[in-house]
Amino acid sequence: DAGVIQSPRHEVTEMGQEVTLRCKPISGHDYLFWYRQTMMRGLELLIYFNNNVPIDDSGMPEDRFSAKMPNASFSTLKIQPSEPRDSAVYFCASRSTSGGPSSYNEQFFGPGTRLTVL
Amino acid sequence: ILNVEQSPQSLHVQEGDSTNFTCSFPSSNFYALHWYRWETAKSPEALFVMTLNGDEKKKGRISATLNTKEGYSYLYIKGSQPEDSATYLCAFAHRDDKIIFGKGTRLHILP
Repeated sequence: DAGVIQSPRHEVTEMGQEVTLRCKPISGHDYLFWYRQTMMRGLELLIYFNNNVPIDDSGMPEDRFSAKMPNASFSTLKIQPSEPRDSAVYFCASRSTSGGPSSYNEQFFGPGTRLTVL
Repeated sequence: ILNVEQSPQSLHVQEGDSTNFTCSFPSSNFYALHWYRWETAKSPEALFVMTLNGDEKKKGRISATLNTKEGYSYLYIKGSQPEDSATYLCAFAHRDDKIIFGKGTRLHILP
């Protein structure tokens, strides 16, 4: 398996533009997580899905952020309009439920998307 | 508010020395505690998961302990090597399936 795949790896955009980040989880994993990593706040959970359904989006900073998971192999995180303070590395991770309660299982992280909003 | 604290934030250790650092988490509604290793320009990778009070896990020179009653876990590295330089993250798994990451301890091994 190729692991969790994220695209693009780097994105530079101007304030006000729409940004779409993409994630392909590991096949067979039924949980998908979106995180944002900044120096100030560390790794923050934005939203997570179970079986393509959003379970907890309380970490989404504001309405400019939205996430979708139309099927088991694809998710997007969209920022519209983007602002300079959104500049961060965004990680996607997936996790399996097999073998027991899911919180026991490790998360597998993608390589991240480094977003710079000018 | 669920808070996971890691200390110290940053640590410089001479090659060959042993070291340890701490993860503090809420002692209520505990389900599991994860440790991840995160090298610069890479993604976090799982090291250990522990669920029972008193659990100890070991992988080579790295080991971890868990105290769920008082809400802390220690990560130990014996005989530090340059390849141990990384950020070590702990993640608290709450009973309602929430996962909260600490901000990490950034370990630098000095030659």
